[in-house]
Amino acid sequence: GAGVSQSPSNKVTEKGKDVELRCDPISGHTALYWYRQSLGQGLEFLIYFQGNSAPDKSGLPSDRFSAERTGGSVSTLTIQRTQQEDSAVYLCASSKVVSRNTGELFFGEGSRLTVL
Amino acid sequence: AQSVSQHNHHVILSEAASLELGCNYSYGGTVNLFWYVQYPGQHLQLLLKYFSGDPLVKGIKGFEAEFIKSKFSFNLRKPSVQWSDTAEYFCAGISSNTGKLIFGQGTTLQVKP
Repeated sequence: GAGVSQSPSNKVTEKGKDVELRCDPISGHTALYWYRQSLGQGLEFLIYFQGNSAPDKSGLPSDRFSAERTGGSVSTLTIQRTQQEDSAVYLCASSKVVSRNTGELFFGEGSRLTVL
Repeated sequence: AQSVSQHNHHVILSEAASLELGCNYSYGGTVNLFWYVQYPGQHLQLLLKYFSGDPLVKGIKGFEAEFIKSKFSFNLRKPSVQWSDTAEYFCAGISSNTGKLIFGQGTTLQVKP
């Protein structure tokens, strides 16, 4: 597709359930980012994948959060045993990386997660 | 640790007023800086970026930003705002050491018609 695609666009779940959020980056983009956007909290970095390198997981808020990127393309963010404070918009972005210089990030529409 | 901070959290202006939003960064290595905008109900989009060269960069919709290395700043400016500029603005930076894009807290701009 032309842009970064995220699904689902909206997810309502009960506290304690697991959720999976999917990101399909722009073809050819080697870098993929996940961010969380909460009201009044700005954009919180979660995790960064770049090519075949080990991902930078330094932003994941707890061990309930994990992400993987299969085949250097699609990524899945998994939240286990969801809590109400996990409610937020989860944004995915991708970019080209040339000689360690990251180009413009292109963002998806986001997945809005509501934990009841 | 790398960080980006924005000084103004909520700015209210009248149309035709001038705008300046502050952004400071703390990084090691070569830094690339960006301003992103999020209009109500829309996704984030790039306003402008600085990689190297001329420290005064011009972006879309009449916005510009100046990279001042000595002040670790990358403030966003627009000479005359319009009602349609009402949005949330995010400063962001990447260090070549990490490749990780970090955002500031964001500034909500409200332009009164």
